[in-house]
Amino acid sequence: DSGVTQTPKHLITATGQRVTLRCSPRSGDLSVYWYQQSLDQGLQFLIQYYNGEERAKGNILERFSAQQFPDLHSELNLSSLELGDSALYFCASSVGGGQIDTQYFGPGTRLTVL
Amino acid sequence: AQRVTQPEKLLSVFKGAPVELKCNYSYSGSPELFWYVQYSRQRLQLLLRHISRESIKGFTADLNKGETSFHLKKPFAQEEDSAMYYCALRRTYGQNFVFGPGTRLSVLP
Repeated sequence: DSGVTQTPKHLITATGQRVTLRCSPRSGDLSVYWYQQSLDQGLQFLIQYYNGEERAKGNILERFSAQQFPDLHSELNLSSLELGDSALYFCASSVGGGQIDTQYFGPGTRLTVL
Repeated sequence: AQRVTQPEKLLSVFKGAPVELKCNYSYSGSPELFWYVQYSRQRLQLLLRHISRESIKGFTADLNKGETSFHLKKPFAQEEDSAMYYCALRRTYGQNFVFGPGTRLSVLP
């Protein structure tokens, strides 16, 4: 167990809806990263937050947004959902935002859009 | 732009046989390379990173800058090594990870 927790474990919703995925980093970790894993796109980096501030952005759609709160947990908001958004969404955390930090992954949230 | 390729989608070997999971990358700077593993029904976890030059669970990987490769090797595969393996690259001055498509390793008894 890496210490990173994600809720919910599974989420089934309909197209056009909006959902929020939650991630709690390991105790003491300041950085949170979000990834999307789908069958056709593989594992893709979406966005990183460090101590409440956006640090790096990857292949994140405009319909998606994220934030990191003062208690360092993070939420990934997905809106106007499409069938293609069905995927496993992972978050990871690391101590700092530097180059040498190891990322520890959560168990993921499986999103199914019907 | 940086890119990671793993040419084999599926690799099947017999228990006790050597295994090599290939990873090639393209990046103009000095990257940091990682191997992540995902066992069935478990979360993604770091296996090893090139700067550590370590051996984890019998696996090693050497960064070959000339060939832009970071192949993962193990001399004698075990059934518990069966998993999905991802090669990942991180840029010199950034946190953005780029993952390869993954190789599913199946070790047969």
